[in-house]
Amino acid sequence: DIQLTQSPSFLSASVGDRVTVTCRASQGISRDLAWYQQKPGKAPKLLIYAASTLQNGVPSRFSGSGSGTEFTLTISSLQPEDFATYYCQQLNSYPLTFGGGTKVGIK
Amino acid sequence: QVQLVQSGAEVKEPGASVKVSCKASGYTFTNYTMHWVRQAPGQRPEWMGWINVGNGNTKYLENFQGRVTITRDTSASTAYMELSSLRYEDTAVYYCAREVAGKRYFDSWGQGTLVTVSS
Repeated sequence: DIQLTQSPSFLSASVGDRVTVTCRASQGISRDLAWYQQKPGKAPKLLIYAASTLQNGVPSRFSGSGSGTEFTLTISSLQPEDFATYYCQQLNSYPLTFGGGTKVGIK
Repeated sequence: QVQLVQSGAEVKEPGASVKVSCKASGYTFTNYTMHWVRQAPGQRPEWMGWINVGNGNTKYLENFQGRVTITRDTSASTAYMELSSLRYEDTAVYYCAREVAGKRYFDSWGQGTLVTVSS
């Protein structure tokens, strides 16, 4: 199975900050990665797929990059509604797996 | 708009079974594969399996082999996930999620169904 390791597991930031989350895969997965945002008590929401393609309706302050084993999610200017937990998911092979999550909290 | 509406919360005893439903609307149900993902409290999501709604083919996470069954009723635009021989560690929120056209990521999710296993 492909393991995904996210870092950090928690970060605190202020509105307007640039935030970067990393996801590392245990083996190369090309660009077969998606990012989701999850708020408490809600289902995950798709932000990015194919490592860097923004899902329709997602603000352009979100961006993704990477390939192979290392990927990043960047929020260019953190907004109040962005405080949430972010998960990566690999699409490369079954079983589909998720990273451990990065919780973005208010500083 | 696409909507996936799941059945309500369940409390089950260890060893029992639970069946969660997921009613789809706003798109052609048979054109998409439906997945089930669960999330235990404070944990990462865990993929469980999928059903090709068009032909009924299924695939499951090996760890669940024999305990999970995913079915669908195309006339009701509803997918189902049944988990048997419940254990305390099966306590989780269970989600259905629509796969984007063979891409293995999910653009629409149900609201989640909390299944609590407790004696």
